[in-house]
Amino acid sequence: GAGVSQSPRYKVAKRGQDVALRCDPISGHVSLFWYQQALGQGPEFLTYFQNEAQLDKSGLPSDRFFAERPEGSVSTLKIQRTQQEDSAVYLCASSLASGLNTEAFFGQGTRLTVV
Amino acid sequence: GENVEQHPSTLSVQEGDSAVIKCTYSDSASNYFPWYKQELGKRPQLIIDIRSNVGEKKDQRIAVTLNKTAKHFSLHITETQPEDSAVYFCAANPFGNEKLTFGTGTRLTIIP
Repeated sequence: GAGVSQSPRYKVAKRGQDVALRCDPISGHVSLFWYQQALGQGPEFLTYFQNEAQLDKSGLPSDRFFAERPEGSVSTLKIQRTQQEDSAVYLCASSLASGLNTEAFFGQGTRLTVV
Repeated sequence: GENVEQHPSTLSVQEGDSAVIKCTYSDSASNYFPWYKQELGKRPQLIIDIRSNVGEKKDQRIAVTLNKTAKHFSLHITETQPEDSAVYFCAANPFGNEKLTFGTGTRLTIIP
């Protein structure tokens, strides 16, 4: 595709349920990022991959959050035992190169609502 | 870590007038400063960015200025149009540090 694609666009989960959010980055992009955007706030960094290697996961709020990118392309963010405070838009972004501050292209996000 | 503050949180401007949004950052190692525009329910999109080796960059009606000494940078939109209405986010990151630290956003409303 032409841009970063995320699915699903919307997800409603009951508290305690596990969810998996998918990100398809732009083909050939080395770097992949996950951000969490609460209502009315700026995106906050969760984790970063360079190809299949997860180089920074300092932003993951708890051990209930897990991300992977096994083949260096598609990435999945998994949240176990969801809680109401996990409700947010989860944005994925990709960029062509690493270490060069190249433009990050964002997906449209997955809006997660935990009820 | 980096901390980015953004002001104002909301801004209303008469169509045709200029709008200015200001950000400050804390990490003197930061050297890349992008600005993103996010329309309601849509993805953030890069509108302009600046690196620390220049003090100003302009692209048609949009310009960004950077003051490294004071650690602040600003977005300037001239001749504003209704389609400029959106939320604007500034961000910063140091060279080699991949993650962006974002400001809290400015909701810009252009009044026809």
